[in-house]
Amino acid sequence: EIVLTQSPATLSLSPGERATLSCRASQNIITFLDWYQQKPGQAPRLLIYSASNRATGIPARFSGGGSGTDFTLTISSLEPEDFAVYYCQQRSNWLTFGGGTKVEI
Amino acid sequence: EVQLVQSGTEVQRPGSTVKISCKVSGYTFTDYFVHWVRQAPRGGLEWVGLVDPDDGETLYAEKFKGRLTISADRSADTVYMELGSLKSEDTAVYYCARVPGRWQHLEFWGQGTLVTVSS
Repeated sequence: EIVLTQSPATLSLSPGERATLSCRASQNIITFLDWYQQKPGQAPRLLIYSASNRATGIPARFSGGGSGTDFTLTISSLEPEDFAVYYCQQRSNWLTFGGGTKVEI
Repeated sequence: EVQLVQSGTEVQRPGSTVKISCKVSGYTFTDYFVHWVRQAPRGGLEWVGLVDPDDGETLYAEKFKGRLTISADRSADTVYMELGSLKSEDTAVYYCARVPGRWQHLEFWGQGTLVTVSS
């Protein structure tokens, strides 16, 4: 099983600041890596697919990068609605998810 | 508009079976795979399995084999997930999600169904 490790577990920032979230895979997953945002009581929402492609309707302040085993989700300037939990997920070998990063004020 | 609408909250006894539905609309049912993912109260996301509504082909996570059945009803544009021999550890919110291809990103999600297993 491919294990995804997200860091940090919690990121405490203020609106307007830059957020950088990390996801490390236990083996090479090329770019079969997606990012999701989840708010309390809601289903996850797709943000980024195939490591760097923004999903439909996702603002340009969200960007993804990386390949192989190391990936990053960047939020260039946090808006109030961006405070949530973020998950990475690989689909190179079945599907597994990281443990999540909570972005809090 | 693509929508996946799931059935409501379930409370089940240990050892029983639960069946959850996921009715889709806004696209051709047989053109897209549907996955199931669950989220335990502690928050982690876990892949459960998938179905190809076109031919009914399924794939299940190893840990659920033998007690999981995912099916698709083309006449009702609905996917079902049936989990038996329920344990307290199966308490979770279960989500269905549409993908553009078998192992593609989970682009549209249902609202989730809470299953509570308790005696």
